[in-house]
Amino acid sequence: EVQLVQSGAEVKKPGESLKMSCKGSGYSFSNYWIAWVRQMPGKGLEWMGIIYPGDSDTTYSPSFQGQVTISVDKSINTAYVEWSSLKASDTAMYYCARLDDTSGYYSRYFDYWGLGALVTVSS
Amino acid sequence: QSVLTQPPSVSGAPGQRVTISCTGSSSNIGTHYPVHWYQQLPGTAPKLLILDNHNRPSGVPDRFSGSKSGTSASLAITGLQTEDEADYYCQSYDSSLSGYVFGTGTKVTVL
Repeated sequence: EVQLVQSGAEVKKPGESLKMSCKGSGYSFSNYWIAWVRQMPGKGLEWMGIIYPGDSDTTYSPSFQGQVTISVDKSINTAYVEWSSLKASDTAMYYCARLDDTSGYYSRYFDYWGLGALVTVSS
Repeated sequence: QSVLTQPPSVSGAPGQRVTISCTGSSSNIGTHYPVHWYQQLPGTAPKLLILDNHNRPSGVPDRFSGSKSGTSASLAITGLQTEDEADYYCQSYDSSLSGYVFGTGTKVTVL
């Protein structure tokens, strides 16, 4: 059974750093892209970026480039998203998701999702 | 701001048919990139509902169907049930943004 297990909810102050994790199991972790998706309170889904665990190839959404760092440790089947200095506007639910496709890069969809992790940034 | 536009809400009585539109442009849906749909039940993570415009993953009831034409796509729910109350999102790829994009989301209410 494919599972993506995310680290827990976090409460942080503005300016603090944070690294969240997403551990995959039940499939060949190195061979599937992992994405991070943000959902701000009461809002829709936003794609943040993707990483290929096999070679750490990473692509960021233009909206998130420079705002977060996505990384992976394939030896422990875990992907990460990291903030160096959180802002109140980073308060959101964050999901990791596995990407699959039937016909290449442009046809990818998010087939398995983690349960999400709520990040609250408040002074 | 999403490049895929959906109606904020749709509603229907149990047993009725509702459709949700997803309107894009020539840099996404109109470039023959497939459209996928997700269901997000209240307080839960999204779930893949339709892939590649009209295909249902294993376990998804055939009450859910998808279609695509030109720069738009649609999700139809027939025989609406109370458990279908959720937010629904379309998703595709956008060549101008060089990335994956989600629709604005549609809340389905069962009256």
